[in-house]
Amino acid sequence: EAGVAQSPRYKIIEKRQSVAFWCNPISGHATLYWYQQILGQGPKLLIQFQNNGVVDDSQLPKDRFSAERLKGVDSTLKIQPAKLEDSAVYLCASSLGEVGQYIREQYFGPGTRLTVT
Amino acid sequence: KNEVEQSPQNLTAQEGEFITINCSYSVGISALHWLQQHPGGGIVSLFMLSSGKKKHGRLIATINIQEKHSSLHITASHPRDSAVYICAVVNFGNEKLTFGTGTRLTIIP
Repeated sequence: EAGVAQSPRYKIIEKRQSVAFWCNPISGHATLYWYQQILGQGPKLLIQFQNNGVVDDSQLPKDRFSAERLKGVDSTLKIQPAKLEDSAVYLCASSLGEVGQYIREQYFGPGTRLTVT
Repeated sequence: KNEVEQSPQNLTAQEGEFITINCSYSVGISALHWLQQHPGGGIVSLFMLSSGKKKHGRLIATINIQEKHSSLHITASHPRDSAVYICAVVNFGNEKLTFGTGTRLTIIP
């Protein structure tokens, strides 16, 4: 079974530039998560999708971050314009999210390491 | 105070030593994950448990729901075990993950 795919793996940009990350979840997984992990901290949830709908985006800085999952499969996360404090690893995860399944194990991708200079 | 606390934050040990990493949490949970993160950034799920004990190879995870505490043990540690180990709890009700800040483990040959 293929895992969660993310690209690019690394990205270096200057502040005020824009950047986009891509995630392809495990086939059949209804729920997709984007996390931001700043060095030395645990991951922080940015946005959660159930199919192509947003379940939770309460911690997404909407003035500069946007995300979409138009067909309910792969997803993109965009930052425009980037700030120095956006330097982090951006992790995508997916879970099966079957109806009636209470505990949903999340499967993580390899992450994209973003450096803003 | 963080909802999920891990100890120690950093741990260096000699190859072959028995390793214990602890996790305490203060919220109601439906399950707890132990995750492994290598320097490249990707996260691998080691265990998800909601009671008792699980074992996989040289790794053992235990949880005590009443005491809100979990431990991850590594027997016969090896340099390839060097990584950051993260405890994450599944919040009861909304199923969201709350992460600890991780324990950086270094095994010296």
